Amino acid sequence: DTGVSQNPRHKITKRGQNVTFRCDPISEHNRLYWYRQTLGQGPEFLTYFQNEAQLEKSRLLSDRFSAERPKGSFSTLEIQRTEQGDSAMYLCASSPLGGISYYGYTFGSGTRLTVV
Amino acid sequence: DQQVKQNSPSLSVQEGRISILNCDYTNSMFDYFLWYKKYPAEGPTFLISISSIKDKNEDGRFTVFLNKSAKHLSLHIVPSQPGDSAVYFCAAQLANAGGTSYGKLTFGQGTILTVHP
Repeated sequence: DTGVSQNPRHKITKRGQNVTFRCDPISEHNRLYWYRQTLGQGPEFLTYFQNEAQLEKSRLLSDRFSAERPKGSFSTLEIQRTEQGDSAMYLCASSPLGGISYYGYTFGSGTRLTVV
Repeated sequence: DQQVKQNSPSLSVQEGRISILNCDYTNSMFDYFLWYKKYPAEGPTFLISISSIKDKNEDGRFTVFLNKSAKHLSLHIVPSQPGDSAVYFCAAQLANAGGTSYGKLTFGQGTILTVHP
């Protein structure tokens, strides 16, 4: 297992198009998180899964955003009708149950979205 | 509402000297604090954490200090090396009412550390 994998690494899309990102967490990790990072800011929490259940969504996640984690394995984040304000780095992270405090998450390298 | 703040956007130090990165927070319900390092084009990497019931945690060249009364924590890197040049993020975890947490983190804005040879 080589860590958290995110695809694609870069995505350029026209305003109004839909995009989907994929995250493959570390296989034994139950928890999966999505964050968004814009220039000059730290990562901002978007949503969290424990196994296949989506347990919390940030108010940052508008109706145009949807995330899934079928069968508690990989996750997808879809943005519909993209806007220029959606341009950001989208980070996925995973952790085992109870491991966050001592060892933190393991982040993927992110997907950089540019909406033109 | 920025609950975790890193007020210094950048810090420059000489190789071999101490780097001190600072972080302030406002929510007294945070139960763990973590530091992450981020290189360009990579995701953040976990460095070190500290529980809110402790005031110091050390791991090799990295030490984190927590001052709960001041709601302030700092990361000390001694000695600093050029490979430490990166963006450093402070993050905090909020305990829920049951005393456990699912791991949602609130991050500061980051400090760019540059270590000169």
